[in-house]
Amino acid sequence: EDKVVQSPLSLVVHEGDTVTLNCSYEVTNFRSLLWYKQEKKAPTFLFMLTSSGIEKKSGRLSSILDKKELFSILNITATQTGDSAVYLCAVSNAGGTSYGKLTFGQGTILTVHP
Amino acid sequence: DGGITQSPKYLFRKEGQNVTLSCEQNLNHDAMYWYRQDPGQGLRLIYYSQIVNDFQKGDIAEGYSVSREKKESFPLTVTSAQKNPTAFYLCASSVDRGYEQYFGPGTRLTVT
Repeated sequence: EDKVVQSPLSLVVHEGDTVTLNCSYEVTNFRSLLWYKQEKKAPTFLFMLTSSGIEKKSGRLSSILDKKELFSILNITATQTGDSAVYLCAVSNAGGTSYGKLTFGQGTILTVHP
Repeated sequence: DGGITQSPKYLFRKEGQNVTLSCEQNLNHDAMYWYRQDPGQGLRLIYYSQIVNDFQKGDIAEGYSVSREKKESFPLTVTSAQKNPTAFYLCASSVDRGYEQYFGPGTRLTVT
């Protein structure tokens, strides 16, 4: 059974801090790892990572994947109150009838205080 | 504007009633998905469909049914057989299986 574990489950910081969110996984046939941000309703797509060691960056957010150690991190620098959200990590399966199926972690709740 | 719409936003039903949640997309995506989200548990896959007239069970399909008669539409029926139907339901779509999924705004279902 595919499994995704995120840590920490919740995090409280002040504006300007840098945070690192962790995601470890076990999947039978790995295709990709995805990060989403969920504020109130729909998760919004942040990154999809398929190759080890290549950092993806978007503004103050960046993410990297380690396929040998089976984990990914999401970094947010100079945090703002608008970064407060649940951050979801998911892995995509590459195998047979499960191809493209996403397994989600439980999420990290990030709260940024002014 | 391209996107995924779900309706209604909030839905209240009595126990024993079937209820259908709507999901429509105009992104021309082939694959569509239904997830359930409960507090502290992340998203769990109910059903997915790669193409019209074809769909597969996800991890928690019991008590749910779907249809995919049109590419744009993937309605989910929560039947009376679903033991704990109260949850937040999210629909998603992707260009094809294996690509990033984009989510609708969700429907919060409360069954009393």
